[in-house]
Amino acid sequence: DTAVSQTPKYLVTQMGNDKSIKCEQNLGHDTMYWYKQDSKKFLKIMFSYNNKELIINETVPNRFSPKSPDKAHLNLHINSLELGDSAVYFCASSQAGVSSTDTQYFGPGTRLTVL
Amino acid sequence: KNQVEQSPQSLIILEGKNCTLQCNYTVSPFSNLRWYKQDTGRGPVSLTIMTFSENTKSNGRYTATLDADTKQSSLHITASQLSDSASYICVVANNDMRFGAGTRLTVKP
Repeated sequence: DTAVSQTPKYLVTQMGNDKSIKCEQNLGHDTMYWYKQDSKKFLKIMFSYNNKELIINETVPNRFSPKSPDKAHLNLHINSLELGDSAVYFCASSQAGVSSTDTQYFGPGTRLTVL
Repeated sequence: KNQVEQSPQSLIILEGKNCTLQCNYTVSPFSNLRWYKQDTGRGPVSLTIMTFSENTKSNGRYTATLDADTKQSSLHITASQLSDSASYICVVANNDMRFGAGTRLTVKP
């Protein structure tokens, strides 16, 4: 059973479009995250949600909006896609937040390409 | 300048050899320091997590050390295997997470 799953795995779209990436975890964790990994493989946290409440919101453009219908899901919606949004996006989950020593489990990633 | 610096950027070793990866950070204070392994095309996998009061943590052939005074951490890999070829990422966490750029390790037969 996949602990943290993301769909789609690949997403190719035109500039200006709106797209969503879905994430689900079956670990019963209270905290979920979205990360962006750029072309230089540098990871950066975007959002952290704990029990459907936003905890961390790094300096991310407001074109990016996380939506958490329940604590097992954290979807990422992106409006007006730009070329610079091309990256691999990872979802992750853990029981407690980043200041705890709880292990984070990452999904397989979604490679977004904006043309 | 990144608050978490890793060295070397890349490393090639022969199977069976040991190696040590370095992580220097300026994040202060911090709650914990983590090491992740990321295979190509996959999500990171947690190797070790240390609080600021811990000096060492092992996970099989992986041993992480932490010196909070000098703000340095290292990841030592013993008896390397071909499957150890991956990127190793150091992360310092407080209320958020600061990632190093990673060290790309290649283990050759």
